[in-house]
Amino acid sequence: DAMVIQNPRYQVTQFGKPVTLSCSQTLNHNVMYWYQQKSSQAPKLLFHYYDKDFNNEADTPDNFQSRRPNTSFCFLDIRSPGLGDAAMYLCATSRGVSGGEETQYFGPGTRLLVL
Amino acid sequence: EDKVVQSPLSLVVHEGDTVTLNCSYEVTNFRSLLWYKQEKKAPTFLFMLTSSGIEKKSGRLSSILDKKELFSILNITATQTGDSAVYLCAVFRGGYNKLIFGAGTRLAVHP
Repeated sequence: DAMVIQNPRYQVTQFGKPVTLSCSQTLNHNVMYWYQQKSSQAPKLLFHYYDKDFNNEADTPDNFQSRRPNTSFCFLDIRSPGLGDAAMYLCATSRGVSGGEETQYFGPGTRLLVL
Repeated sequence: EDKVVQSPLSLVVHEGDTVTLNCSYEVTNFRSLLWYKQEKKAPTFLFMLTSSGIEKKSGRLSSILDKKELFSILNITATQTGDSAVYLCAVFRGGYNKLIFGAGTRLAVHP
């Protein structure tokens, strides 16, 4: 089945220790998104890629970076995690951004714990 | 400023009840409105609405959009305990190409 896969499902890191979360998709979608979701809050968009074009949200901290080496994979790098970065990180994909193609499909998420 | 407002924020019903969840929006360059269901994991897609007055239906769930009054409703009939979840409404904003999420409605269905 075509899907969005995130690894790992749970990640524990230490304060200040870099961490990388991964997302892969078999949907062959052009757009990939990264969201941060904290408890009882709506998902907050961090950035997205349309093909190779990177689009950063204005309020995304510099501590968060992303890479998309090919269509299928996208990575979220947190360079120096703080306690406030503990959250669920959701990856989503969509075929496009208009004409009904903007429906986003979410992966299962990676829950990050910072000690 | 773009905003999506959902009401109520939480709702407790008994199995068999019918519920209506509301979503109003003010979003520049509206492209579509989407409903998601989120249990203790990632959101799962329910509906995408782009045109006013056309009901989308899937089993006991249905939704409709009013682009003149800028709102949508999600109806769930004959609720079951498995419907317990947070229901998220989101509007896709063209240009910036992003979903603007509401805070969600937490629905609890008791036996």
